Amino acid sequence: GAGVSQSPSNKVTEKGKDVELRCDPISGHTALYWYRQSLGQGLEFLIYFQGNSAPDKSGLPSDRFSAERTGGSVSTLTIQRTQQEDSAVYLCASSRTGPETQYFGPGTRLLVL
Amino acid sequence: AQSVSQHNHHVILSEAASLELGCNYSYGGTVNLFWYVQYPGQHLQLLLKYFSGDPLVKGIKGFEAEFIKSKFSFNLRKPSVQWSDTAEYFCAVNPGSWGKFQFGAGTQVVVTP
Repeated sequence: GAGVSQSPSNKVTEKGKDVELRCDPISGHTALYWYRQSLGQGLEFLIYFQGNSAPDKSGLPSDRFSAERTGGSVSTLTIQRTQQEDSAVYLCASSRTGPETQYFGPGTRLLVL
Repeated sequence: AQSVSQHNHHVILSEAASLELGCNYSYGGTVNLFWYVQYPGQHLQLLLKYFSGDPLVKGIKGFEAEFIKSKFSFNLRKPSVQWSDTAEYFCAVNPGSWGKFQFGAGTQVVVTP
């Protein structure tokens, strides 16, 4: 079946603008993760959704970052008032349940000018 | 703070050489352990995982990893690498009681013909 999809694949924005990044997980996967991948920094955990439980937001770097997951499926990561240090690849992953194999999307490459 | 450490950031080796990538973590208690690989231009994908049982696990493409609980390690090995193994390799740890994952910084492996 279809894998995890993310849109847009690339986003260039100006400092101070808001951006929305979208993730479509694999159908039936209850767990959804957002990560940030910066050059040479590995994957930084941002937020984790599991079913109808309250999300684990412990990785969000500031209150400018927020995410929601509607209907237990599609998720949107929003970055308000973007800063240059927000430039990175934002990866989404889903799994059937929490501590299981994650399937990654292609990522959204964000560049803040 | 809980962490995942990958000892080498860059490894360059020739085809047919043996590969070993180190991964250490600082979580106590039960953990689930993963190695992911990102080939150039591709999504992150699972190489292998350990949940319980035999501490020597085998994954795709001839890779294996050994979980040594006393050393908090989960090192990845391949006896004879190929040029197609050029990729970035990430170790990931999931504290088994909940869904959050922590990734290491990654090791860039370059295999020369």
